[in-house]
Amino acid sequence: SQTIHQWPATLVQPVGSPLSLECTVEGTSNPNLYWYRQAAGRGLQLLFYSVGIGQISSEVPQNLSASRPQDRQFILSSKKLLLSDSGFYLCAWSIRQFNQPQHFGDGTRLSIL
Amino acid sequence: AQKVTQAQTEISVVEKEDVTLDCVYETRDTTYYLFWYKQPPSGELVFLIRRNSFDEQNEISGRYSWNFQKSTSSFNFTITASQVVDSAVYFCALSDGNSGGSNYKLTFGKGTLLTVNP
Repeated sequence: SQTIHQWPATLVQPVGSPLSLECTVEGTSNPNLYWYRQAAGRGLQLLFYSVGIGQISSEVPQNLSASRPQDRQFILSSKKLLLSDSGFYLCAWSIRQFNQPQHFGDGTRLSIL
Repeated sequence: AQKVTQAQTEISVVEKEDVTLDCVYETRDTTYYLFWYKQPPSGELVFLIRRNSFDEQNEISGRYSWNFQKSTSSFNFTITASQVVDSAVYFCALSDGNSGGSNYKLTFGKGTLLTVNP
């Protein structure tokens, strides 16, 4: 069966520090991969998605970037964190077919001080 | 453009009550898919169901049931005999062929916080 791992679970970082969140998927090949942010108030905001190695689509201009160095690895990064980057970050994967459900990791709670 | 509206921001019920969560969607496509997710307090989103636009049959899974009505563009979710463990945020989502040229993406509603009190 497929599993998705996301780490760390919790992270506290000072303003201006770099960020690296990692997500890996097991048990499937060629998945679509997604990064979401959920701020207080519950709405899910799609940040990036990827349909293949090195292929990244950005949904919202921001202070973050994403990379996909391997088929089942998706990394969310920032060179300098802002206070507004605080939130709950969720990674997800789906089968690379249209209209498929996305399956989510456990999320990372990021607090910027 | 596609849109999903969950007008109920928060619902509070007492255990064993039935509760219905509303979802209204907008899309120009004739082929689309609808989803429900559950987000318990621990945070992860759990996929519950996917329905396509050509299948209007209601679905029942244990205490959960879903009512899909194309005439009103609604895909409502009912929990029968609610339990404390049902307390969570529930999201409705839509995927269609007009998602910015890619129907790999889901458009989520803002979610409904359900609290089931003992």
